[in-house]
This record gives sequence, C-alpha cells and structure tokens, in this order.
Amino acid sequence: GDSVTQMEGPVTLSEEAFLTINCTYTATGYPSLFWYVQYPGEGLQLLLKATKADDKGSNKGFEATYRKETTSFHLEKGSVQVSDSAVYFCALSALTGNSGGYQKVTFGTGTKLQVIP
Amino acid sequence: DTGVSQDPRHKITKRGQNVTFRCDPISEHNRLYWYRQTLGQGPEFLTYFQNEAQLEKSRLLSDRFSAERPKGSFSTLEIQRTEQGDSAMYLCASSPRSDEQFFGPGTRLTVL
Repeated sequence: GDSVTQMEGPVTLSEEAFLTINCTYTATGYPSLFWYVQYPGEGLQLLLKATKADDKGSNKGFEATYRKETTSFHLEKGSVQVSDSAVYFCALSALTGNSGGYQKVTFGTGTKLQVIP
Repeated sequence: DTGVSQDPRHKITKRGQNVTFRCDPISEHNRLYWYRQTLGQGPEFLTYFQNEAQLEKSRLLSDRFSAERPKGSFSTLEIQRTEQGDSAMYLCASSPRSDEQFFGPGTRLTVL
C-alpha cells in the first residue's frame, strides 16, 4: 500500500537558518503530495501541495518540489523564524476505495521543528 | 468562522464509558473524513462519508466505533465501552470535490 517516510525529529535550528525536512513516498498511480503543519493543541493546516511531477508548491516562504524520479517531496525554507516551530507532516493523496473512489490521505509520522532565537 | 469545527475539544472519561464526538464540516463540503492521531504519529484514516453515505471504513474502526452523518451535514463518532488504547486525538476533515482536505482542531480523548 501507499506509504510516506519523513525524517525523524526533532529538528532544532537557530532563527534564520536554512530548513530541509526530507520526505519520500511509495504509491501506485499518480498521487498528489502535501505538507501539513500542526501547531501545539491545534489541528492540521495545509501548508502547500503539488499535484503532478515537477510541480513546486510554495507558501509562507516554504517550498517543495514533486520529484517523481526520486519519489520525494522535500520541504525547504531559506530562513526559519521562531513562529515556524511546529510539527510538519508530509502526506500523499490518492484515489482509492471500493465505492466509487475517495481521496485517501496517507501521512508520515511528522517532524517536529523547534526554532530558537 | 467557516472552518471545520469539532466538539468537545477535550474529553476525559473512565474506561468502559461511552463517548460521542461531533464534527461540523465546512458548509457545502459533501465529503467528510474521520482520523485518529496518537502521540508522535501522523493521522490514520478511520472512515469516510460522501453526503450521508458512509462509503469506507478502516480496519482500525472496530465494532465499538460507529459514525453517522444523518443529513449529510454534521457527523458524530461514538466509541462504546472505551478502552485506554482509545486515548488519542480524533480529527475530522471535510473536502469539496478535490484532493484537498480541511481539518478541524480535533477532539483529544483521554481514557482513564
């Protein structure tokens, strides 16, 4: 079945450092790829997405490129801020199911990012 | 606020009790999902509704779990005879006809 593997945390960075969180996936077909962010005590918020190979998703200074050849979707940010401290989840969405299909989302285990001043 | 809402945000119960959670999706989203998230893990799919029809259920959804969406709007998730292993965050998400899901804040369940 589909799976998502992302680097284990926690990742601790100083403010203004460069961020990379690695994510690789296994899927049949052509999934859409997502990064979600979860702040303490809150639900998941969509950070960015890409729906086909070579697409780049971007939002709030974060970027990730859909690499089909390496089955990867690494998250990057050039200069992190303390407010970026959160847990980041890589996910894929693929049409599946027995009843006409639905978008099944498979999540990685999450990477906790801590940014210190 | 037109986002997904969940109630309650926190629930503490004793083992063996029944609990019910409510999810109000974004209006006009016909697709609704329930997930369970345990500490240090990503959310795991539980069940999916399209309008009022429950179309998919995960093997994680034992017979103690039941979900409904009676009028195709809000949904409830009930857990009967709770066990300590049921302690988790229960997340609801809704979706229009696309691959993007919008998540609520979750209900954190603690079973003592």
